[in-house]
Amino acid sequence: DAEITQSPRHKITETGRQVTLACHQTWNHNNMFWYRQDLGHGLRLIHYSYGVHDTNKGEVSDGYSVSRSNTEDLPLTLESAASSQTSVYFCASSESLRNTQYFGPGTRLTVL
Amino acid sequence: GESVGLHLPTLSVQEGDNSIINCAYSNSASDYFIWYKQESGKGPQFIIDIRSNMDKRQGQRVTVLLNKTVKHLSLQIAATQPGDSAVYFCAENMLNNDMRFGAGTRLTVKP
Repeated sequence: DAEITQSPRHKITETGRQVTLACHQTWNHNNMFWYRQDLGHGLRLIHYSYGVHDTNKGEVSDGYSVSRSNTEDLPLTLESAASSQTSVYFCASSESLRNTQYFGPGTRLTVL
Repeated sequence: GESVGLHLPTLSVQEGDNSIINCAYSNSASDYFIWYKQESGKGPQFIIDIRSNMDKRQGQRVTVLLNKTVKHLSLQIAATQPGDSAVYFCAENMLNNDMRFGAGTRLTVKP
């Protein structure tokens, strides 16, 4: 069955370190998204991609970057982790822009 | 209904009762709406969607109602079960294709 996976599921890192969170989908969706979820807030968009080599900034993109070298993967990199980036991160994909986004299981990141 | 803040709105219902979860959306031009269910420690899971040319859509045990006049969306769950306990949130597809998500409502089902 097609799916979307994220790794690692849990990560603890130190301030200033570079961290990369992986997202892999097997639906062959063109659109992929990264969100962060914090208590009391809705999902907030970090970065998104509409296809290979396409990347776009979302609402809360500062301190994050993504790259899209193939259809299946959209890794999220924190260049220099900060405590404010402690959060749960979700990756999602969709077949088209006006269709449902399907979410991965999430990565809980703690920055000490 | 949903609100932004430190504490999620909560709804507590008895097993077997019907549940109604409300959502106020922000943009009158939004044309696509989705309800998601999120269980503890898991990613959001699609429940049901509705486009703006409809005012009601039914699924298995769930119904979504859309009132564009007051920008209001509701999710009705029939015969609520313990497995329905989760956070439910709505999402709207804005005119520029941005998807905006509500903070959610926590549903607790009492056996």
